[in-house]
Amino acid sequence: GAVVSQHPSRVICKSGTSVKIECRSLDFQATTMFWYRQFPKQSLMLMATSNEGSKATYEQGVEKDKFLINHASLTLSTLTVTSAHPEDSSFYICSARARDRGISNYGYTFGSGTRLTVV
Amino acid sequence: DAKTTQPPSMDCAEGRAANLPCNHSTISGNEYVYWYRQIHSQGPQYIIHGLKNNETNEMASLIITEDRKSSTLILPHATLRDTAVYYCIVSYSGQAGTALIFGKGTTLSVSS
Repeated sequence: GAVVSQHPSRVICKSGTSVKIECRSLDFQATTMFWYRQFPKQSLMLMATSNEGSKATYEQGVEKDKFLINHASLTLSTLTVTSAHPEDSSFYICSARARDRGISNYGYTFGSGTRLTVV
Repeated sequence: DAKTTQPPSMDCAEGRAANLPCNHSTISGNEYVYWYRQIHSQGPQYIIHGLKNNETNEMASLIITEDRKSSTLILPHATLRDTAVYYCIVSYSGQAGTALIFGKGTTLSVSS
């Protein structure tokens, strides 16, 4: 149980275009979802926290107008990278927190990540 | 959240036990110790977590010192597939909005 599906696994887009990444909790309802970014040979950096039905909370230095997060349901959150540039190329990872911690004993489940390359 | 200190890298021979240490001297009473690992180009994988007592599951054992200022993750019989970056994270799990904050972790290399 406690599976998070992230799609797409990798995407290449042209500079200036927008890319949407989906994160779904398949077998549990996620009260909260988190988005991370990871550059090569670095650790995961928290970008934002989103709660279902409310605006996301962004970490300092993360542009909320560039990284649009929508958490419309308890099983789906999306991250849209708007007007992408080569410096946005990175590994983006989502994480979901179970609404009922009894369903997911460990509380935090991660997606498999999305490799974004902006050319 | 309390910070953690881990050695940057460790080596282990295949079949031997891998003991990964973590210091978390400023941990609060309501903070859990979580261990995750990340194999190259994948999302983090949950290993184990604990509050005060030692824990064991099918993947690993977690030994937490009595004062809770440090812990050790034990992989009893390491295999080549255990080569990964291991993250020790302390976090208060009582609030749904609390994210896991990752440090640099320990790169474990298992060799035959």
